[in-house]
Amino acid sequence: DAKTTQPTSMDCAEGRAANLPCNHSTISGNEYVYWYRQIHSQGPQYIIHGLKNNETNEMASLIITEDRKSSTLILPHATLRDTAVYYCIVRVAGNQFYFGTGTSLTVIP
Amino acid sequence: DSGVTQTPKHLITATGQRVTLRCSPRSGDLSVYWYQQSLDQGLQFLIQYYNGEERAKGNILERFSAQQFPDLHSELNLSSLELGDSALYFCASSVAASGRYPRGTQYFGPGTRLLVL
Repeated sequence: DAKTTQPTSMDCAEGRAANLPCNHSTISGNEYVYWYRQIHSQGPQYIIHGLKNNETNEMASLIITEDRKSSTLILPHATLRDTAVYYCIVRVAGNQFYFGTGTSLTVIP
Repeated sequence: DSGVTQTPKHLITATGQRVTLRCSPRSGDLSVYWYQQSLDQGLQFLIQYYNGEERAKGNILERFSAQQFPDLHSELNLSSLELGDSALYFCASSVAASGRYPRGTQYFGPGTRLLVL
């Protein structure tokens, strides 16, 4: 069963912020939300994670709603190299990652 | 470069054959994970090892097996191969078997592309 729901695809203009939403309505209180991305067929790359507070690192920001049922990954200034499939992940059973279908982000020049 | 290495990069074989995929985790990581990514299924968790012991099993077929050796490298063995086994196989590693960042964060290797003809 799906643990997360993401739009199938999104476009974003180069230089603009890319906002990628994710629904995780069945998340439990101690489950973290992780974001990874996969460029072409390379190995998934860790971006950011969060529990209930908003988080920011050098790659992105993560906004988690107060009820923790959804989150948004923000790439503040998208570049062509950010074109990838972005996965919102909730850990299940220890450290197993459930990868849904992800969002295919295309950054347009 | 995540620090996780996988060999070989590409593998072409025939149905019914057996192959072994190898993974070396990042230095210091004790936990290794195997994932399968086929065109129509996305990334599927197969199995996890921690310090040589099997820790968790996902959607791994009985024809597939894995192990983690004392030097912490891991091998995924695929036998009686079928056309449907053609996929990308990724290995990931983390410091701990679970837990919050950074100990539980998984770092992925570049993958092995398997083609079964």
